[in-house]
Amino acid sequence: SQQGEEDPQALSIQEGENATMNCSYKTSINNLQWYRQNSGRGLVHLILIRSNEREKHSGRLRVTLDTSKKSSSLLITASRAADTASYFCATAPARSNYKLTFGKGTLLTVNP
Amino acid sequence: DTAVSQTPKYLVTQMGNDKSIKCEQNLGHDTMYWYKQDSKKFLKIMFSYNNKELIINETVPNRFSPKSPDKAHLNLHINSLELGDSAVYFCASSHLGLAGVLTQYFGPGTRLLVL
Repeated sequence: SQQGEEDPQALSIQEGENATMNCSYKTSINNLQWYRQNSGRGLVHLILIRSNEREKHSGRLRVTLDTSKKSSSLLITASRAADTASYFCATAPARSNYKLTFGKGTLLTVNP
Repeated sequence: DTAVSQTPKYLVTQMGNDKSIKCEQNLGHDTMYWYKQDSKKFLKIMFSYNNKELIINETVPNRFSPKSPDKAHLNLHINSLELGDSAVYFCASSHLGLAGVLTQYFGPGTRLLVL
């Protein structure tokens, strides 16, 4: 069954603006990860946040995790045209060490 | 050096044919995966091997058979291809830590088109 659900499905912004994408999930998790997929390419890992963490930063990326609401957000600050891609959240369930379940993704378009 | 590689990159074939996709990783990971991404970009896990042992086998038609000759390779064989098999197939690898599934590294994908 679908675990992560990203919101919005599509987001279009101007270069320099911030982009926020949200992810909701249903069951207890061990960790939550965000990936980026450029058109026609494989997925690239961006950041991993563990269930006992609330916020994590990596360069222009900021991820938050609220386990009580079963939700996460990915903020990209000062966006660039090169950030145009699909962004996926993926959850690692607490009771399984093996499987990541991906959401349907948010398509981000950054206009120059 | 490519971390996770797949061949072929494109595969166009007729319905009913049998085809294989190969995957190799040089990251020293102990776990490899096959995913299917449909036209709406939904990424679904199909199989996973940990140290050559099948650990994930999702609801996939038995026309799909994975094979892992060693930890660095995971191949996918598809029998009697159908139109609905058209998709992009991604291989991925990772370590399995005590904290659960860690970062996965993806190959570039194999675009399969069944005519």
